[in-house]
Parts: sequence; C-alpha cells; structure tokens
Amino acid sequence: DIQMTQSPSSLSASVGDRVTITCRASQSISSFLNWYQQKPGRAPRLLIYAASSLQLGVPSRFTGSGSGTDFTLTISSLQPEDFATYYCQQSYSILKTFGQGTRLDIK
Amino acid sequence: QVQLQQWGAGLLKPSETLSLTCGVYGGSFSGYYWSWIRQSPGMGLEWVGEINHSGSTNYNPSLKSRVTMSVDTSVDTSTNQFSLRLSSVTAADTAVYYCARHVKSSGSLHYFDYWGQGTLVTVSS
Repeated sequence: DIQMTQSPSSLSASVGDRVTITCRASQSISSFLNWYQQKPGRAPRLLIYAASSLQLGVPSRFTGSGSGTDFTLTISSLQPEDFATYYCQQSYSILKTFGQGTRLDIK
Repeated sequence: QVQLQQWGAGLLKPSETLSLTCGVYGGSFSGYYWSWIRQSPGMGLEWVGEINHSGSTNYNPSLKSRVTMSVDTSVDTSTNQFSLRLSSVTAADTAVYYCARHVKSSGSLHYFDYWGQGTLVTVSS
C-alpha cells in the first residue's frame, strides 16, 4: 500500500492567514494526488486534482503543488468557510489511499 | 448535474451482510469507475472498491474476501445504480459509507468528483 502522511494533523489559524498543509507519499506517485475538504456531517469535496489543477467552482485562493512524493495545499487568505478538515489522496495505485487529515480550526 | 443518492440498512448485527445501493442521476454512467469509500474515527477514509459500467471490479485487498459490488443499468439509462455487499460484518466495519464517482482520464487525471451523502452503518449486537 502507498501510505499518505499529512502534516500537521491540526492547525489553528485566523481569517486572512496564509496556511500550508503538506502531504508525503511513501513512494513516488507522480502527480496522482488530489486534495479534498470535508466539513462535519458532509461528504468530502474535491478541491485540487492532479496535484495542481483547481476543480471547477473552487475559489482561486486554494492552490496545490508538488510531484513525486511531496505535495502541498496552500490557502492564500483564509475565509470563515475554509475551517474544515483537509485530506490528500493518491490515485497512482489501484488501491487508492488517503492521508489521515489535517483539521483546520479558528484561532 | 450529477447527483449520487445512496440508501441501505444502517444497523446490523455481527455476522450479517451489509447492503448499500447508490443511484446515479444525471451524467453518463459509462466512462467512469464507481467507488465505495468508508470513514470511521479509527481508520479515517478507506477505499473499499470500485466497479465500472460493464461490471469490472477492483477491491481493497484487506476486504476482498468479503466484498461484492454490482451494477444495475436501467433500460432507459436515465437512472443507474451500483451496489455494495460486505459479508460477515463486525464492529470494525462500523463507519459512514460513501459512494463516489471516480474519474480516470488521461495522464494523472484520476479523482473522486461526486460523492453520495453518506450512510452511517453501525454493527452492534
């Protein structure tokens, strides 16, 4: 299995802050990396696919970068609706795996 | 607009079989893989398996011996659905189960873009 490790596991920030979440794969996954946002009681929502492509309808303050084993999700200026849990996910392998999540709280 | 709506029993006893169905409304059913993903506090998000319109499947090896997925393509093709059966459930199978559409396009364009609303399945005696 390809293990996905996110850091940090939790993060406190304020509206307007710039935040970065990191995801590391246990082996190279090229650009087969996606980012999702999940709010309590809701299904995950696709934000970024193929490491850096913005899903339709997602605000441009979300950006993704990286390839190989190291990836980042950056939110340039936090908005109140961005406080949620974020997950990375690899589709390089048929056995798709997710990171453990990063919970983003209001400071 | 694509919508996924799922249903199935939410309370099971140990050793019973979990059965969930996901209806796909709008969009094409062929050309995608249709997945089940579960989420529990202990295991996080775990991919269970996937099926395409022709019935070709891939399962998580950790669950493969207990999982069966199937598709039901309606005659008018306006409503399609796919199903999950997980046999011999235990408390460890307690989770929210989601259905999702998996895009597999050129290059690294492989991602889950539409999700069902989730079904909480609890296994308890």
